Amino acid sequence: SQLAEENSWALSVHEGESVTVNCSYKTSITALQWYRQKSGKGPAQLILIRSNEREKRNGRLRATLDTSSQSSSLSITATRCEDTAVYFCATDAGGNYKYVFGAGTRLKVIA
Amino acid sequence: EAAVTQSPRSKVAVTGGKVTLSCHQTNNHDYMYWYRQDTGHGLRLIHYSYVADSTEKGDIPDGYKASRPSQENFSLILELASLSQTAVYFCASSDGTIYEQYFGPGTRLTVL
Repeated sequence: SQLAEENSWALSVHEGESVTVNCSYKTSITALQWYRQKSGKGPAQLILIRSNEREKRNGRLRATLDTSSQSSSLSITATRCEDTAVYFCATDAGGNYKYVFGAGTRLKVIA
Repeated sequence: EAAVTQSPRSKVAVTGGKVTLSCHQTNNHDYMYWYRQDTGHGLRLIHYSYVADSTEKGDIPDGYKASRPSQENFSLILELASLSQTAVYFCASSDGTIYEQYFGPGTRLTVL
């Protein structure tokens, strides 16, 4: 079983709407990262949230972390077509600098 | 700006042949990683390295070797390529302290 996984395979929203991607993980972590991967590109980190943090923001992005339920969410407000991408959560699998990625959620923003 | 480059960007190999994928980083990072990406599996760690001349096995190392001859360079070697190794391969680097990895653009490998 995966140590990190997003809870939705694919989502579709209209431009301007908000959307939330959820992630669950199975081990204790030091930090959780959210990455975005656009078509044909490598992943790029959006937000890093440490285990002692509950919320982190980056512009239109907001990540939350609930260590008791071992879950995280990434919310995007006022979505744009360029937000169309695959969104991954990744954990540090216990702090040994080996990162575990979920399978990703494919988000499509429709104009 | 942090930069990770990969070569080649695309490759077609024959079953049983040897394939070498190369990665170069100018970030001055100690940690480097090789992942493969298959549809539905996200990114899976093959090998990683935290210092030159040393490599560590990741979660799916079978069928792959890695080489880190210098801090900047990290190679992934498929000695006997197989059909199941058709995938997109990503290299990444990290300084090991801020939990951020910088990814290269990927290499699309097709084994026929």
